Amino acid sequence: QVQLVQSGTEVKKPGASVRVSCKASGYTFTSYDINWVRQATGQGLEWMGWMSPDSGATGYAPKFQGRVTLTRDTSISTAYMELSSLRSDDTAVYYCASNKPRTGDFDSWGQGTLITVSS
Amino acid sequence: QAVLTQPSSLSASPGASASLTCTLRSGINVATYNIYWFQQKPGSPPQYLLRYKSDSDKRQGSGVPSRFSGSKDASANAGILLISGLQSEDEADYYCMIWLSSFWVFGGGTKLTVL
Repeated sequence: QVQLVQSGTEVKKPGASVRVSCKASGYTFTSYDINWVRQATGQGLEWMGWMSPDSGATGYAPKFQGRVTLTRDTSISTAYMELSSLRSDDTAVYYCASNKPRTGDFDSWGQGTLITVSS
Repeated sequence: QAVLTQPSSLSASPGASASLTCTLRSGINVATYNIYWFQQKPGSPPQYLLRYKSDSDKRQGSGVPSRFSGSKDASANAGILLISGLQSEDEADYYCMIWLSSFWVFGGGTKLTVL
């Protein structure tokens, strides 16, 4: 079955960068896009960006443009989200989700990765 | 004004129906959009429920019961998630989402209480 497994909890200092991985299995990695969504404690969902593992094309929410970078390694079916210049309000759970290209059918989600930004 | 507005909370009784609304900002015509719905329970990632554009253009998530359905209210410029035959397990947060030009936008979410 489709499975997205994310890397573990991270604690970072303000100004640092963090990279979260999302390893896909159970399907052809290049056939579905990967999106990244975050959720601060007690808050709603916030979409960050998407990537096509096939072409490497990306798109970012205006709020994160210039601060988030999405990449992939197709040889190991893994997508990455790197967020730079971390601030305390970046503290959140970060999710990856796969979808059919050009749809919002986010059928499969990773388990989430907690990123805590604290001095 | 937010792109998508959802009531923060809603309560309904077991066995009843609940109608969760997702109102699009003025100037964004609900008729032209696919409205996606997700369910999230505490401590878990969101789960895809369905997509609704029209009665002839919709998609149900895999394994999602048919008592979850979508519709639109054009007069209110809103997408609607209807949950019939409410069960205690339906108590969760519900989010709507649309594609706006070049990015996805989520509504603020509705906390549904079944009591």
